[in-house]
Amino acid sequence: NAGVTQTPKFRVLKTGQSMTLLCAQDMNHEYMYWYRQDPGMGLRLIHYSVGEGTTAKGEVPDGYNVSRLKKQNFLLGLESAAPSQTSVYFCASSPFLGVEAFFGQGTRLTVV
Amino acid sequence: EDKVVQSPLSLVVHEGDTVTLNCSYEVTNFRSLLWYKQEKKAPTFLFMLTSSGIEKKSGRLSSILDKKELFSILNITATQTGDSAVYLCAGGFDDKIIFGKGTRLHILP
Repeated sequence: NAGVTQTPKFRVLKTGQSMTLLCAQDMNHEYMYWYRQDPGMGLRLIHYSVGEGTTAKGEVPDGYNVSRLKKQNFLLGLESAAPSQTSVYFCASSPFLGVEAFFGQGTRLTVV
Repeated sequence: EDKVVQSPLSLVVHEGDTVTLNCSYEVTNFRSLLWYKQEKKAPTFLFMLTSSGIEKKSGRLSSILDKKELFSILNITATQTGDSAVYLCAGGFDDKIIFGKGTRLHILP
């Protein structure tokens, strides 16, 4: 019963460092999403994918890149981390449009 | 621009009270309205609404959608301290899911 798994769960980065967050789902879902959550801001969509090999920009895409080379994996990259990217990051997946999205447990990222 | 607006942003009530949380949306190509509950970690799914006027119910929680007026409400009756959480409303639009800022609900014993 893995569902959606995010790696890592916690990370501290120095300003300017790069890193990749991995999201893996074992439900054969087509749609995958990356969100960030900051206090009082709800969940804001960073990037999303509607299928293997596709990506699209969400509400707050600047400073992030994504890739979906395999259907089950959705990677979120930070090329040059900034303190403004300190946040909790959630990955989610859904089987098709407009239905319940299943969430991973989140990654808490701190950029110092 | 697609957006989801929740109100109030914060609410404190006493155990046993009934609360109503509001969610309005402005979107193109609406598909569904989703409600989630978030405690310490990841959001957990409550309801999905696609048709106007049909109430969805689960125990003390219920929700309804008005597609003409572009809003939804989430009702919680006989609240308990375990209902304390952030309640998130989200819209399924086009090919993405957009969230509101959430309502932080605190239930006093």
